[in-house]
Amino acid sequence: AQTVTQSQPEMSVQEAETVTLSCTYDTSESDYYLFWYKQPPSRQMILVIRQEAYKQQNATENRFSVNFQKAAKSFSLKISDSQLGDAAMYFCAYRYTGNQFYFGTGTSLTVIP
Amino acid sequence: GAVVSQHPSWVICKSGTSVKIECRSLDFQATTMFWYRQFPKQSLMLMATSNEGSKATYEQGVEKDKFLINHASLTLSTLTVTSAHPEDSSFYICSARDPRQGAGNSPLHFGNGTRLTVT
Repeated sequence: AQTVTQSQPEMSVQEAETVTLSCTYDTSESDYYLFWYKQPPSRQMILVIRQEAYKQQNATENRFSVNFQKAAKSFSLKISDSQLGDAAMYFCAYRYTGNQFYFGTGTSLTVIP
Repeated sequence: GAVVSQHPSWVICKSGTSVKIECRSLDFQATTMFWYRQFPKQSLMLMATSNEGSKATYEQGVEKDKFLINHASLTLSTLTVTSAHPEDSSFYICSARDPRQGAGNSPLHFGNGTRLTVT
């Protein structure tokens, strides 16, 4: 069974600093897809970044980047130059074949001004 | 592109009544939509997969007769909470993938959710 684990229920970061959110997953598959979603107080789910397992290069989207370690089944999210608007719940998600997405339990990020 | 609209954003109903929530894909056709339930400060729990023109697939533990799903067209899925009770109060979110974005890393696109309160 596929499971996604986010071991940090809460994290905080000073504005303009860098923070890393961790995510590990369990799978026996070799081809799959990983995602980070952000859920601000409005509760709208917003895609932050995605990674294909067959790609060795880590995905980057502006201030957001991932550290994908396939062998370790780890998919952490790094947020650089944190901004107040980054405060949100962050969910890691895994998808294999078909349509089903598996979500982690989430990390609540607080940005301290 | 790839916009999913959900309506209503919030609803209050009395115990014993039914509530319908609509989920529409505005600029793409979605043969499959997903309904999630989220409790405060918790993750998304998949309730069911809605399939256009056929019966929905429910996750284990989800009551089919309480949470009726209809996916009558390629752009509309509805979730009806029947005979609602206070314990059904929650945040319900629908989502879909845009087939135009390929089958691989295409993400889920989410509606803005519906906050249901049953009094």
